[in-house]
Amino acid sequence: DQQVKQNSPSLSVQEGRISILNCDYTNSMFDYFLWYKKYPAEGPTFLISISSIKDKNEDGRFTVFLNKSAKHLSLHIVPSQPGDSAVYFCAASDYGGSQGNLIFGKGTKLSVKP
Amino acid sequence: GAVVSQHPSRVICKSGTSVKIECRSLDFQATTMFWYRQFPKQSLMLMATSNEGSKATYEQGVEKDKFLINHASLTLSTLTVTSAHPEDSSFYICSAPDREGYGYTFGSGTRLTVV
Repeated sequence: DQQVKQNSPSLSVQEGRISILNCDYTNSMFDYFLWYKKYPAEGPTFLISISSIKDKNEDGRFTVFLNKSAKHLSLHIVPSQPGDSAVYFCAASDYGGSQGNLIFGKGTKLSVKP
Repeated sequence: GAVVSQHPSRVICKSGTSVKIECRSLDFQATTMFWYRQFPKQSLMLMATSNEGSKATYEQGVEKDKFLINHASLTLSTLTVTSAHPEDSSFYICSAPDREGYGYTFGSGTRLTVV
């Protein structure tokens, strides 16, 4: 069974609006969560992370929210730009991220329309 | 849903030895498998793309003779780290396009430590 789930395979948003990508997990031992962005023909690149001791982490236009009780995290991109169009992966780890193995979701393809 | 089983999850080996990492697609046929290595700052570097029945395509800067990739069947792709050195210590993970065609299924990753 998937431990990290991204239930929306795709999302389409108008430029300038907010993009919200969701991720659910089942393992309560996960203590570190990451978002990756992937362009075609390239490997995923790290975007933003959050530790389980926090419920929010912000970096420019990107904010990740963590709801531990619901085992849910989300990535907010505001304002969305056409260059944000990519596949976004949610990943989780149970060893603080630096030493543990990462468990990935299947990804959500974001399309930002001009 | 589609599952990629990756083994081993963790391995410690001595310098100079070889380590084989396997990725199996359990309930679908993976004609393509991507192999990644995690670098500091958490980015994943695409090392190579394996295709069933043909030679793997390596990314620039990846040594083909050191990282041997074999995609012998539609359900199995392997990465062998030959003559491992401590600098090869890293997290290696595989990924295959989802059979539905709009996502990717990742293996659980392999934490390699070379001592």
